[in-house]
Amino acid sequence: GAVVSQHPSRVICKSGTSVKIECRSLDFQATTMFWYRQFPKQSLMLMATSNEGSKATYEQGVEKDKFLINHASLTLSTLTVTSAHPEDSSFYICSAVAGSYNEQFFGPGTRLTVL
Amino acid sequence: RKEVEQDPGPFNVPEGATVAFNCTYSNSASQSFFWYRQDCRKEPKLLMSVYSSGNEDGRFTAQLNRASQYISLLIRDSKLSDSATYLCVGAYNNNDMRFGAGTRLTVKP
Repeated sequence: GAVVSQHPSRVICKSGTSVKIECRSLDFQATTMFWYRQFPKQSLMLMATSNEGSKATYEQGVEKDKFLINHASLTLSTLTVTSAHPEDSSFYICSAVAGSYNEQFFGPGTRLTVL
Repeated sequence: RKEVEQDPGPFNVPEGATVAFNCTYSNSASQSFFWYRQDCRKEPKLLMSVYSSGNEDGRFTAQLNRASQYISLLIRDSKLSDSATYLCVGAYNNNDMRFGAGTRLTVKP
């Protein structure tokens, strides 16, 4: 299957700092990537759809100025959590659709802890 | 109301048992359905797609009832390695997937 990587896998930061998470499709090109957030014992919640070369589409209730998404190439999307607060602590997962497989492939996730 | 609802469990079963999970979805516009498996602190991985005719993959059988907006997953002859959280997913297309909160399964020796 197609491979999606994320970096970093885990990050601990102080409140008020910004954190950038990278999502890469390693062996295919992805015009569309997705960013999800998962709190403990809860479902994955779609935050935004990242489109290569254009603005991301955010789900209702997700602040676009707080969660900055950049999809500058066909293999890389980044999510920046600006001015992070403890309530932003969560598991952030990206995914991409590999056209030949017709399914979403998920990255390994990034666990963010804001102190 | 959540778009996709699942019994959170946990289901604790002995090895070799048969266990069934159910899931309901509220949006009749959903076109595709899937079961994903998620291990603790890991990303979800596709287990199987779900078709109206029912489909089987080894010990796993999935069923979709569009009239009742109901999806099921049956696991036969449970293995210790089946312990995980099983996520029910309804999708409008590959670009819009809605996940259930997951059903936690623990298979014990």
